[in-house]
Amino acid sequence: GAVVSQHPSRVICKSGTSVKIECRSLDFQATTMFWYRQFPKKSLMLMATSNEGSKATYEQGVEKDKFLINHASLTLSTLTVTSAHPEDSSFYICSAETGTGGSPLHFGNGTRLTVT
Amino acid sequence: GEDVEQSLFLSVREGDSSVINCTYTDSSSTYLYWYKQEPGAGLQLLTYIFSNMDMKQDQRLTVLLNKKDKHLSLRIADTQTGDSAIYFCAEKLDTGGFKTIFGAGTRLFVKA
Repeated sequence: GAVVSQHPSRVICKSGTSVKIECRSLDFQATTMFWYRQFPKKSLMLMATSNEGSKATYEQGVEKDKFLINHASLTLSTLTVTSAHPEDSSFYICSAETGTGGSPLHFGNGTRLTVT
Repeated sequence: GEDVEQSLFLSVREGDSSVINCTYTDSSSTYLYWYKQEPGAGLQLLTYIFSNMDMKQDQRLTVLLNKKDKHLSLRIADTQTGDSAIYFCAEKLDTGGFKTIFGAGTRLFVKA
């Protein structure tokens, strides 16, 4: 149980284009999902908390107009990297909680974004 | 402050036990977690322990928590080459809302 599916697993795009990444909870409903970015040999950096039916909460230093998050249903959150630049190349991982309180985060398999 | 620290590397021989250590600073932890990340993949939840527990064992995995010293460890018995990965320690804080803080990850190398 508690499977989180993330697509695509890998994407290469040209500078200036936009890329959408999907995160789905397959066997549970997730009112809250989280988007992380991981730099090589580094820990996870929380970018934003995605709340179903309301605006996402962004961490300090994360541009909300560049990283658009939509959580339209209890099983789907999307991250759109707008006007991508090479410095946006990274590994993006989403996660979701099965409940509240102490329930652990369950992660998708990540998306490797390369901007050329 | 909110900080989780881990050593960056650990190398063991196949068949030996591995012990990965983690320290945290915030005393409002509710749960503490161990995640495993293989190359190019997301994080896989390995095990977790509630903050009022001292020890939890799950097959080859043993988690020890010293709440007084804010120290968490993960012991992997009979380590196999397939255990080579990055292991992340994480704590979930109850600060009005819930927030998960991750360590930088410990890269485990298992030598055959």
